Amino acid sequence: DTGVSQDPRHKITKRGQNVTFRCDPISEHNRLYWYRQTLGQGPEFLTYFQNEAQLEKSRLLSDRFSAERPKGSFSTLEIQRTEQGDSAMYLCASSLFDRAGGYTFGSGTRLTVV
Amino acid sequence: DAKTTQPNSMESNEEEPVHLPCNHSTISGTDYIHWYRQLPSQGPEYVIHGLTSNVNNRMASLAIAEDRKSSTLILHRATLRDAAVYYCILSVINNAGNMLTFGGGTRLMVKP
Repeated sequence: DTGVSQDPRHKITKRGQNVTFRCDPISEHNRLYWYRQTLGQGPEFLTYFQNEAQLEKSRLLSDRFSAERPKGSFSTLEIQRTEQGDSAMYLCASSLFDRAGGYTFGSGTRLTVV
Repeated sequence: DAKTTQPNSMESNEEEPVHLPCNHSTISGTDYIHWYRQLPSQGPEYVIHGLTSNVNNRMASLAIAEDRKSSTLILHRATLRDAAVYYCILSVINNAGNMLTFGGGTRLMVKP
């Protein structure tokens, strides 16, 4: 297993366009998380899945954002009608369901909205 | 949510030990203390976690105060590759397991 994979690594899009990011977690991990990180700040939680169920969403996740994990394996994060404020690093992480277990993060997708 | 307080930045010399402090005075009895680090242009990387007792692994040691209101991450011999932002996080326990909420972290600079 090569860890958590995210695709693409970089995305430049024009304001108003839709973008979709993909995350492939570690295969045996049943929990998957999305975070967003802007320059100089720590990662901010967006949402997480337990298997295919989306269990929690942050208030940061506006109605332009949607995330899916259709078969409890890979996940996608879509942003519709992108705005310049959406420019950030989008990080995916996975873990086992464990009261104290560590997360494994991917390298992230850097989104630039021009 | 219980919060952590860390210095914004610290400096260390290469091959010397580094002690990164973290205050968490509002920690609850069931919160675990996690440390992650983030190298430039990478996602955060798990370092270590603990509940009450001191913990050691191949990367670092975690010293937890007896009252659990503070902890210290110890890098025994800093290398240039240890230059990163180090996050001290309390895991928030909800119905479905642990949740990590990141703060601003400590930027560690290592001088040759």
